[in-house]
Amino acid sequence: GQNIDQPTEMTATEGAIVQINCTYQTSGFNGLFWYQQHAGEAPTFLSYNVLDGLEEKGRFSSFLSRSKGYSYLLLKELQMKDSASYLCAVKDDYKLSFGAGTTVTVRA
Amino acid sequence: DVKVTQSSRYLVKRTGEKVFLECVQDMDHENMFWYRQDPGLGLRLIYFSYDVKMKEKGDIPEGYSVSREKKERFSLILESASTNQTSMYLCASRDNDNQPQHFGDGTRLSIL
Repeated sequence: GQNIDQPTEMTATEGAIVQINCTYQTSGFNGLFWYQQHAGEAPTFLSYNVLDGLEEKGRFSSFLSRSKGYSYLLLKELQMKDSASYLCAVKDDYKLSFGAGTTVTVRA
Repeated sequence: DVKVTQSSRYLVKRTGEKVFLECVQDMDHENMFWYRQDPGLGLRLIYFSYDVKMKEKGDIPEGYSVSREKKERFSLILESASTNQTSMYLCASRDNDNQPQHFGDGTRLSIL
């Protein structure tokens, strides 16, 4: 079975940094994805980690530790448009299993 | 850009009806997926397909079936709709295994 945990909600101030943690226990592992989903919209791809370490993409970075079953998504220089739900998803042999998502609210 | 199109954004049906949700992708992707998304539960996989006429059950297939007659189209069928199938339904497609899934805008289905 798959068990993927992430916090339900986080609040941060515009310009700040927020770190969203994701822990997982899965029967197989072939990579971890992060998606962003604005209210009423489709999830959009942010990042993919399959090896341990940090992947940086502009203001967003994602980290993976396979031995700890742990990932985080780091959002820097927060903007109001970053208010959204962030979904952690683990890929086993053929499909993705999603966490329930973390709703991030950015305040002015 | 990949385009995944779901036929309806909002749909209201009655208990017992047979309901069809349609999804079309324009990037010749092999793999297509149907999820439902409910508050606090995240996205749960209903069915997926890795080729034309091929289908595999996901985590919650009960009460649903699918059809993939053409590569670009993947249909989700609610055989006899029930109120607990009221949800947001999301379709996705993907090229090869390590590529991200691309999602449609979703269909918010209400069963009365």
